[in-house]
Amino acid sequence: QSVLTQPPSASGTPGQRVTISCSGSSSNVGSNTVHWYQQLPGTAPKLLIHTNNQRPSGVPDRFSGSKSGTSASLAISELQSEDEADYYCGAWDDSLDGGVFGGGTKLTVL
Amino acid sequence: EVQLMESGGGGVKPGGSLRLSCAASGFIFKSYSMNWVRQAPGKGLEWVSSIASSDDYIYYADSVKGRFTISRDNAKNSIYLQMNSLRAEDTGVYYCARETLTGWYEGNDYWGQGTLVTVSA
Repeated sequence: QSVLTQPPSASGTPGQRVTISCSGSSSNVGSNTVHWYQQLPGTAPKLLIHTNNQRPSGVPDRFSGSKSGTSASLAISELQSEDEADYYCGAWDDSLDGGVFGGGTKLTVL
Repeated sequence: EVQLMESGGGGVKPGGSLRLSCAASGFIFKSYSMNWVRQAPGKGLEWVSSIASSDDYIYYADSVKGRFTISRDNAKNSIYLQMNSLRAEDTGVYYCARETLTGWYEGNDYWGQGTLVTVSA
């Protein structure tokens, strides 16, 4: 049972817009910033979004992040086949005094 | 080019010990907080431990507290994870990751390739 809650799966067709949610509490998402990662099979995670909505250089602007209260979202627009991967949200938890991740969302491009 | 290279993984019996290393290059290592994150086979990411740039702040997941010790040597551009009293549930790929400079735990912008730890009798 992960501290942050993500849907286990999501799907979309090429060109569509997909959003992945990340629900937490006042001790993590509600009081700290959220980051998002993409993990392709057999590879290390890649940072997509840090500090709620900041894209590192090299990440396409098709990826965007937002946060409101104790929930955050990752949006992927103009969906492409290469976006098929696992996506994770993360944050710091003040009560646990540690980092926490969501359980991950497997995105399928139909 | 930023690079992180983990080493030290392998097979060990329950109750045994391993020491993981992560060698960093391509950036000013002493300026960055660093993390260990692990992933059990077929499972999601699990944060293990964090160490601040000057190791004045260190944190551990409850699942490893008292058994694992994180450390760093800024002269050698390396972090380490001493893992004692290993259990089967510690099995997985261990990644070291660099934090962004934007603030405490706001994202890990570079990751190593990971090193596999297998705890089995």
